[in-house]
Amino acid sequence: EAAVTQSPRSKVAVTGGKVTLSCHQTNNHDYMYWYRQDTGHGLRLIHYSYVADSTEKGDIPDGYKASRPSQENFSLILELASLSQTAVYFCASRPGHANTEVFFGKGTRLTVV
Amino acid sequence: GEQVEQLPSSLIVQEGASVLINCSYTDSASVYFPWYKQEPGKRLQFIIDIRSNMERKQTQRLTLLFDKKTKHLSLHITATQPGDSAIYFCSASPSSNMGYKLTFGTGTSLLVDP
Repeated sequence: EAAVTQSPRSKVAVTGGKVTLSCHQTNNHDYMYWYRQDTGHGLRLIHYSYVADSTEKGDIPDGYKASRPSQENFSLILELASLSQTAVYFCASRPGHANTEVFFGKGTRLTVV
Repeated sequence: GEQVEQLPSSLIVQEGASVLINCSYTDSASVYFPWYKQEPGKRLQFIIDIRSNMERKQTQRLTLLFDKKTKHLSLHITATQPGDSAIYFCSASPSSNMGYKLTFGTGTSLLVDP
């Protein structure tokens, strides 16, 4: 089965601090995504990438940066963490053609205090 | 952009009952509709999908119906089991978009009482 590994699985960060969430996939998938999940909301897309060294803004990119240094790795960076960024973050990957299953990681629970 | 709504937001049923989860979307460019299940503390797991050129898809105890005209989907789960307890998400994706982005609904929390 396709594997998407996120690290860390949970983190407590201080307001104003820098946070990096990492994602690694061994599926040889072209597309990678970062979503956040909040209570009462579905998953919302932050950033995505369809090729190494290139990232695209999703629906809620403000306050986040993304980095795709290789096909396998996709990071989400919070330069100045804020309380409102407390959420569960999911990384996902999918093959490079339409209408295919997306594979999710187990999620990272981020608490900003 | 695309908006996806799900109803109801939560359901409690007795084991063996059937449930119906409704989903509606707004963007006529959406052509692919996968559904996911999220058990507590676990990753989202793909359960069934349908494409806009289909009206119905069935797999084991799941039946997914699609109405392109009304932009509406419904997921029917029969003979529910406690293991079906989870949050179910409907999602939509346009194939014309380079990112093949998924837009998710807010989820339906299902609790199956044994």
